[in-house]
This record gives sequence, structure tokens and C-alpha cells, in this order.
Amino acid sequence: GAVVSQHPSRVICKSGTSVKIECRSLDFQATTMFWYRQFPKQSLMLMATSNEGSKATYEQGVEKDKFLINHASLTLSTLTVTSAHPEDSSFYICSARDPGSIGNFFGPGTRLTVL
Amino acid sequence: AQKVTQAQTEISVVEKEDVTLDCVYETRDTTYYLFWYKQPPSGELVFLIRRNSFDEQNEISGRYSWNFQKSTSSFNFTITASQVVDSAVYFCALSAAGGTSYGKLTFGQGTILTVHP
Repeated sequence: GAVVSQHPSRVICKSGTSVKIECRSLDFQATTMFWYRQFPKQSLMLMATSNEGSKATYEQGVEKDKFLINHASLTLSTLTVTSAHPEDSSFYICSARDPGSIGNFFGPGTRLTVL
Repeated sequence: AQKVTQAQTEISVVEKEDVTLDCVYETRDTTYYLFWYKQPPSGELVFLIRRNSFDEQNEISGRYSWNFQKSTSSFNFTITASQVVDSAVYFCALSAAGGTSYGKLTFGQGTILTVHP
């Protein structure tokens, strides 16, 4: 089946630094990817929809200047958490939609800890 | 707006018991997809099932079965003869079926299932 990878799987950074998370579709081209955030013991909440070649669409309450999304190719979307703070510590999960099927595939997630 | 409700926050059973996880949803879409995912402690979401709103047939896959009742907007998940390895958080989710919204999932709050030996 289709595979979506994320890198890094885990990152610890200091407050004020920026962190980039990559989401790749490995065996299909994804014009659309989605970014979710999951705080401990909570559900997954959609942050934004990443569209190849155009601007991302952010959900209400998500700061687009803080969470920069770039979908530069059909297999790669990146989420950059700018000037990270401890409250940004969370599990970030991406998913990619395979236009050739009705498949929607999740990456393994990235656990971000901001000290 | 879409909404998914999993009223059971935590369920604890003893191995070999059957357990049903409830899921109720709200949507204005006429066609949609329903999903169940398993999330073990590693965090990675494990896909269990996707069901189209047109297909109300119940489905069985090994020890897993799903009961889709459109009339009550429910999509319940039953594990038969539970095992310790079934311990995880289970999420029910909903997505529009067509257009640009497919794949944009609304998740329920999740149910923590603990199966004791």
C-alpha cells in the first residue's frame, strides 16, 4: 500500500527556534496533504490543508505566520513551526491524499518537544 | 459543520471479552466516508476501515466488526474475544466524500481501550 513518511520522528528544541517537519508521499503523487496536531491525551485536530503549487488553507484559530506550510512538489510538504514555544509541544501528523484512488494515508507522526 | 462523538472515554475489559466502541456523527453532506483508526502508544495511526455512506452493510474482518446505522448516524466497532494487543486508543473519523474536502478528517475524541490479561 501507499506509504507516507515524516522526518524527523522526534525533535527537541529550545524555545525561540524554528523547526521544520517534512511529509513525503513515497509511491504516489499527492496534490493535497493535511497537517494535524495532537496534544497529549487528546484527539487529532486538523491544522491546515497543504496544496501543491498554491497557498495552504488554515483552519480557524491556527496562526499561518507561526505554522508555515510549503508544498513545493507533488511528493513533499513541509511544516515549519517558527519561534517555537513550550505550548507548541505536540505530536504533528500529516496525511496525503492519493488522487489515483480514494486512499488517504497518514504519516507516522513527529513528536515535538520545546524546552 | 461535521462532528464525531465517541462517548466512551475509557473502556477496560478482561481478555477474551467482547467490547463495542461507540461512534456517533453529524454531517450535512449527503455522501461521506467514515473511518476507524487504532493508535498504539507509538502514536502512529493504524487504518482499520473506511466505509462509504452509501454502503450500510455490516463488515467483519477477523475479530473486528463494524455496524453502520445511517438512521441513527452511528458507526460502532466491535472487537470479539479481545486480546492484550488490542489495547490502544481508537478513533472514529468522518470525511466528506467528494471534492477538495475528501481526506480532511474530523476525529472523535478517542476511546482508550485497555485489555487486561
